[in-house]
Amino acid sequence: DAMVIQNPRYQVTQFGKPVTLSCSQTLNHNVMYWYQQKSSQAPKLLFHYYDKDFNNEADTPDNFQSRRPNTSFCFLDIRSPGLGDAAMYLCATSRDGVAGNNEQFFGPGTRLTVL
Amino acid sequence: GQQVMQIPQYQHVQEGEDFTTYCNSSTTLSNIQWYKQRPGGHPVFLIQLVKSGEVKKQKRLTFQFGEAKKNSSLHITATQTTDVGTYFCAGLRIQGAQKLVFGQGTRLTINP
Repeated sequence: DAMVIQNPRYQVTQFGKPVTLSCSQTLNHNVMYWYQQKSSQAPKLLFHYYDKDFNNEADTPDNFQSRRPNTSFCFLDIRSPGLGDAAMYLCATSRDGVAGNNEQFFGPGTRLTVL
Repeated sequence: GQQVMQIPQYQHVQEGEDFTTYCNSSTTLSNIQWYKQRPGGHPVFLIQLVKSGEVKKQKRLTFQFGEAKKNSSLHITATQTTDVGTYFCAGLRIQGAQKLVFGQGTRLTINP
């Protein structure tokens, strides 16, 4: 089945120790998104790629970076995790940008714990 | 910036009762989407509304988009325990940066 896969599902890191979260998709969608979701809150968009074009949200901290080496994979790098970065990180894809066929398919998420 | 306000934040009902959640945007929307997130799960797309005044139904779920395309609602008739979860609306504004803005979500719990 076509899907969005996130690894790992749970990640524990130490304060200040870089961490990378990965996302892959078999949907062949053009757009990939990274969201941060804290408990009882809505998903907060960090950035997205339309194909190779990177779009950063204005309020996304510089501590968060992303890479999309090819259509299928997208990575979220947190350079120096702080305690406030502990959250669920959701990857999502959509066939087109939001103005088009933009139903978003979410992966299961990676729950990040910062010690 | 654009805000999408969603109420109520929490709703607890007896199984069989109806449930409604409302979304209001500060600006006119191009379209609005609804997602359901089960406890411990990830958001799952339910539906997209595009036209002014549009009404769509999925079994016991009825979705409406306001005439001014600034508000939307989701109504569940005769709730079942499988309806438990958080329901998010997400709006796409007409002008400016093309991104979905999520409402805060309504968490639905049900007494069996």
